[in-house]
Amino acid sequence: NAGVMQNPRHLVRRRGQEARLRCSPMKGHSHVYWYRQLPEEGLKFMVYLQKENIIDESGMPKERFSAEFPKEGPSILRIQQVVRGDSAAYFCASSPTPGLAGDEQYFGPGTRLTVT
Amino acid sequence: QKEVEQDPGPLSVPEGAIVSLNCTYSNSAFQYFMWYRQYSRKGPELLMYTYSSGNKEDGRFTAQVDKSSKYISLFIRDSQPSDSATYLCAMGVNTDKLIFGTGTRLQVFP
Repeated sequence: NAGVMQNPRHLVRRRGQEARLRCSPMKGHSHVYWYRQLPEEGLKFMVYLQKENIIDESGMPKERFSAEFPKEGPSILRIQQVVRGDSAAYFCASSPTPGLAGDEQYFGPGTRLTVT
Repeated sequence: QKEVEQDPGPLSVPEGAIVSLNCTYSNSAFQYFMWYRQYSRKGPELLMYTYSSGNKEDGRFTAQVDKSSKYISLFIRDSQPSDSATYLCAMGVNTDKLIFGTGTRLQVFP
């Protein structure tokens, strides 16, 4: 059973460009979470999605950031007009059904975004 | 004050030692508590998951939750060099929006 997959693993963008980060959850998981990790800091929650629904986006910056989890295909975290402060590791996690047994979040390997 | 506080370390111990890692928190509504291990430039790996106060053991790892003191611990017995990593505590009111500590860097030397 393949784990959570993220691509690309490394992404370099110039200031002002768009970054698209993709996440495929574990098989059988329908809930996806995105977290950001800055150097020497813990993971910060950004957004929680189910298929075609954003459940909680309280951790998303109000501008330039968006996320989706379409009916088909991976979840996408999009950052428009990137700035140097967006440089970080972005992790995706998935879970089967929160609130029930076996609802732990399993993390992918992350995408390391560098903005030059 | 941060919702979750964790000593960043680094913590350096000899092989075979018992390691104690701790987090404190301020939100009394937290009910779910996890410990993740993160190797350098990798994703966090779930180690332990507990709900409510008490102890939970899994091999060399024991997780302890004291809700009255808002304090959680992870004990590692017979530590190995392969345990060298950053250990992250995480918790939440429910299991969707997790709040993470900053992580404790552990080094186990032979």
